[in-house]
Amino acid sequence: KAGVTQTPRYLIKTRGQQVTLSCSPISGHRSVSWYQQTPGQGLQFLFEYFSETQRNKGNFPGRFSGRQFSNSRSEMNVSTLELGDSALYLCASSLAVRGNYGYTFGSGTRLTVV
Amino acid sequence: EDQVTQSPEALRLQEGESSSLNCSYTVSGLRGLFWYRQDPGKGPEFLFTLYSAGEEKEKERLKATLTKKESFLHITAPKPEDSATYLCAVQAEGSARQLTFGSGTQLTVLP
Repeated sequence: KAGVTQTPRYLIKTRGQQVTLSCSPISGHRSVSWYQQTPGQGLQFLFEYFSETQRNKGNFPGRFSGRQFSNSRSEMNVSTLELGDSALYLCASSLAVRGNYGYTFGSGTRLTVV
Repeated sequence: EDQVTQSPEALRLQEGESSSLNCSYTVSGLRGLFWYRQDPGKGPEFLFTLYSAGEEKEKERLKATLTKKESFLHITAPKPEDSATYLCAVQAEGSARQLTFGSGTQLTVLP
């Protein structure tokens, strides 16, 4: 059974640019969430999508956005990149049904902003 | 606001030396408490979900327990391959399914 796939694994971008990260959830998983991980702040919730609808959003500026497609694949976009956006971006998927709310994480996309 | 505090921040053990990691949490209503293991450069790997106080789960050398205010991850006779960062997270009741993570315990098991 394939796990959560995130592409690309590594990215280097320049301040002011924008970036799009992709996530393919486990087959059958309808919920996709995104997290940002940094050494200083740890893992922080960005947003969650379920059936193409954003259900919840974390405390991040509007430069961070996302979407989910009908096949449950998800993308997140960061516009006008800042140095502080350098982080490991993790995608996680879940069945999101009663009794099974656990999340499986992908390996992440390491974004470096220079 | 949901909060998760893990201790200690770092732990060094000799191979075979058993110990416990602590996760204290504050949440309005607990849907589930999750333990993950994370190796450098990789995403968190799911270990356990605990749903109610008194619940225990085991997997190889790991055993997770849950009370109304904290969870423990007991590591029995650890091996060097158990070295990793162990993360605890809570999920609150309600429609939002986000996980609130602690800062993790970095475990090093020396041969």
